[in-house]
Amino acid sequence: GQNIDQPTEMTATEGAIVQINCTYQTSGFNGLFWYQQHAGEAPTFLSYNVLDGLEEKGRFSSFLSRSKGYSYLLLKELQMKDSASYLCAVRGGSNYQLIWGAGTKLIIKP
Amino acid sequence: DGGITQSPKYLFRKEGQNVTLSCEQNLNHDAMYWYRQDPGQGLRLIYYSQIVNDFQKGDIAEGYSVSREKKESFPLTVTSAQKNPTAFYLCASSPGLGGANVLTFGAGSRLTVL
Repeated sequence: GQNIDQPTEMTATEGAIVQINCTYQTSGFNGLFWYQQHAGEAPTFLSYNVLDGLEEKGRFSSFLSRSKGYSYLLLKELQMKDSASYLCAVRGGSNYQLIWGAGTKLIIKP
Repeated sequence: DGGITQSPKYLFRKEGQNVTLSCEQNLNHDAMYWYRQDPGQGLRLIYYSQIVNDFQKGDIAEGYSVSREKKESFPLTVTSAQKNPTAFYLCASSPGLGGANVLTFGAGSRLTVL
């Protein structure tokens, strides 16, 4: 079957760096997305990776290794507003369906 | 500003009642989606539509119905046949289907069955 795994919860300190991992097993691969979702709100797009390597966008970076079925989201200079859930989603072989992980709840402490 | 508007934000339903959740977008996107979000689970696709007057079932379509009479609108009806309807419902849209198309989400509707 198809599966996305992410840690359920992580805690980090304001100003620090945190890495949120995502591993996937899907039939085919057409890209991986990261979204941020504050509690009770809409998920908002952070990044998209389709080729191996690192994509940097300000304080956020996303890495992909297709051979390992692995991605991570790196958040630098953490701020309190970064407290949210981070959702990993893979577009599988059908190319229209997104398969979603359950999300990682990130708690930032002062 | 362009975006997606969902209403109502909170809705309470008695067992046996049908309810309709509204979703309107002004992004001129062709594709629209309905997802269900439950604690501890990933988003699950209920229905999606690639074009007006056409829609397809997702993974959990049983007990739900949709229509796409206008490009801007994609309402979801939760029928009495849906056995466990209490959930957070998210509507989304994207320029097209598949590939690098990024989904834009509405703020969600939380449905509680009394």
